[in-house]
Amino acid sequence: DADVTQTPRNRITKTGKRIMLECSQTKGHDRMYWYRQDPGLGLRLIYYSFDVKDINKGEISDGYSVSRQAQAKFSLSLESAIPNQTALYFCATRGPTGTEAFFGQGTRLTVV
Amino acid sequence: QKEVEQDPGPLSVPEGAIVSLNCTYSNSAFQYFMWYRQYSRKGPELLMYTYSSGNKEDGRFTAQVDKSSKYISLFIRDSQPSDSATYLCAIGSQGGSEKLVFGKGTKLTVNP
Repeated sequence: DADVTQTPRNRITKTGKRIMLECSQTKGHDRMYWYRQDPGLGLRLIYYSFDVKDINKGEISDGYSVSRQAQAKFSLSLESAIPNQTALYFCATRGPTGTEAFFGQGTRLTVV
Repeated sequence: QKEVEQDPGPLSVPEGAIVSLNCTYSNSAFQYFMWYRQYSRKGPELLMYTYSSGNKEDGRFTAQVDKSSKYISLFIRDSQPSDSATYLCAIGSQGGSEKLVFGKGTKLTVNP
């Protein structure tokens, strides 16, 4: 089983709908991250969390919200999806400072 | 000035060629350096991690860091078609504003 699991893997939704992307990890890491990846723009940080009570905005948080339900679970919500939120979304975890990030397999989201 | 710059390519080489991938960064506070490999429709996977200036070798891969020039490189010797992927550099800082910043990625194709 993957250490970082994202669900769903693919999703098509309509403009204006609320959608939640879920991430769970078995690595025991405190730090969790949500990124989106777009062609030519690379990975951009949406939100990150250093523990259950610590949630921080990244560089592109507008239109998104997150919930850290437990150390192992970090979900990303689009309250009212719009077409320019069509992208590949990645969840990642990290151990202590200075260590590498581990990524999930990604969720391909299409907003029509 | 962007924190990290990476030539997006694409880069196309024949099998067996030596490949050189590069990133530059702007802030000397960055202290550790990584290279990730991302296959199509997959999450990035850590390929190399280094903390200091100089070279680090792992099989056909060599990571090189020049902190004085703020320049990092990844060399792939005897490139194989299975090396075809997008390569992302990542640089990190520690301390109060601990962060991990990714380059936009270079797409590499190795032709048989």
